[in-house]
Amino acid sequence: DAGVTQSPTHLIKTRGQQVTLRCSPKSGHDTVSWYQQALGQGPQFIFQYYEEEERQRGNFPDRFSGHQFPNYSSELNVNALLLGDSALYLCASSGWDRVYEQYFGPGTRLTVT
Amino acid sequence: QQPVQSPQAVILREGEDAVINCSSSKALYSVHWYRQKHGEAPVFLMILLKGGEQKGHDKISASFNEKKQQSSLYLTASQLSYSGTYFCGTECPYSGGGADGLTFGKGTHLIIQP
Repeated sequence: DAGVTQSPTHLIKTRGQQVTLRCSPKSGHDTVSWYQQALGQGPQFIFQYYEEEERQRGNFPDRFSGHQFPNYSSELNVNALLLGDSALYLCASSGWDRVYEQYFGPGTRLTVT
Repeated sequence: QQPVQSPQAVILREGEDAVINCSSSKALYSVHWYRQKHGEAPVFLMILLKGGEQKGHDKISASFNEKKQQSSLYLTASQLSYSGTYFCGTECPYSGGGADGLTFGKGTHLIIQP
């Protein structure tokens, strides 16, 4: 049973560029949440997708956007990258019947130079 | 608002017990506990829901005091594998049903020495 997968593992971008991160949820899960984890900090909630719609959003600017596909996989897009966007981006999935238990993927390490 | 975890770090000998606390200034619906090892994803440990019972498995258990908006994670007879950073994630009541995104504390670093 495959867990949550994310791609790419690492990414280096330049300020001002745009980036797309991808996530495939755990088998049987239909809800995907995205988190940003800065070094030495706890994960910060970006947004959550269910039924291809954004259900909840944390305190992140509109430069952060997402999408969920019919197969429940999801993308996180960040435009106009800033140095402060450098972080580990984590995707977590959950099932609607046990939506409170979130399972995290290994993350994508984004470095903005 | 971000929950406050204490202590920030703790060093134990294998076999000793540890308590990690998590407190919030807001009313909580649930508290989630995760452990993250360096370079890895957070791993779900347990969730405590408002009105629920104290949870536990193996030698790790947790409690949730709804009135004080506090939760504690108890690790007994700690093992080397317990080393890592422990995060509590809190969830406030969500009028629309379903789960909010979690608000995580800054973490508690636990080091178990042989």
